[in-house]
Amino acid sequence: DAEITQSPRHKITETGRQVTLACHQTWNHNNMFWYRQDLGHGLRLIHYSYGVQDTNKGEVSDGYSVSRSNTEDLPLTLESAASSQTSVYFCASRPGQGGDEQYFGPGTRLTVT
Amino acid sequence: GNSVTQMEGPVTLSEEAFLTINCTYTATGYPSLFWYVQYPGEGLQLLLKATKADDKGSNKGFEATYRKETTSFHLEKGSVQVSDSAVYFCALSVSGNQFYFGTGTSLTVIP
Repeated sequence: DAEITQSPRHKITETGRQVTLACHQTWNHNNMFWYRQDLGHGLRLIHYSYGVQDTNKGEVSDGYSVSRSNTEDLPLTLESAASSQTSVYFCASRPGQGGDEQYFGPGTRLTVT
Repeated sequence: GNSVTQMEGPVTLSEEAFLTINCTYTATGYPSLFWYVQYPGEGLQLLLKATKADDKGSNKGFEATYRKETTSFHLEKGSVQVSDSAVYFCALSVSGNQFYFGTGTSLTVIP
């Protein structure tokens, strides 16, 4: 079955370190998204991509970057981790627009100490 | 702009009670509307959706009707079960690929 996976599921890192969270989908969807989930804020969009070599900033992109070298993967990099980036991160993909749903990964819980 | 407002939680109900979670939206253009559910420790899963005015989405006993005149998409279930305990998110999508999510409503159903 097609799926979307994230790794690691849990990560503890220190302030100032670079961290990369992986996202891999096997649906062959062009559209991929990264969100962070924090209590009281719901889901906030960090970055998104509409296809290979395409990346766009979302609502809370400062301190994060993504790259899209193939259809299946959209890794999220925290350039210099900060305590404010402690959160649960979700990757999602979507086949198209309009009524198409987004499919979510299981999430990565990141703690920055 | 585009935004979703949903009722504050947490909501606690007894088993077999009636559930309503309110959701209203603001959108440029003609949005599609969604309800997602998140069980503890998991990602979001689509619960139901509606793509045009007056459509009713339904799944697992949950229903929501797309009301353009009141810009609402309230989630309802006639008789909740303990297994319905989760966080529920209302969301919209307009032209383009972005989703806009509400802040989520936590539901706890007690036996």
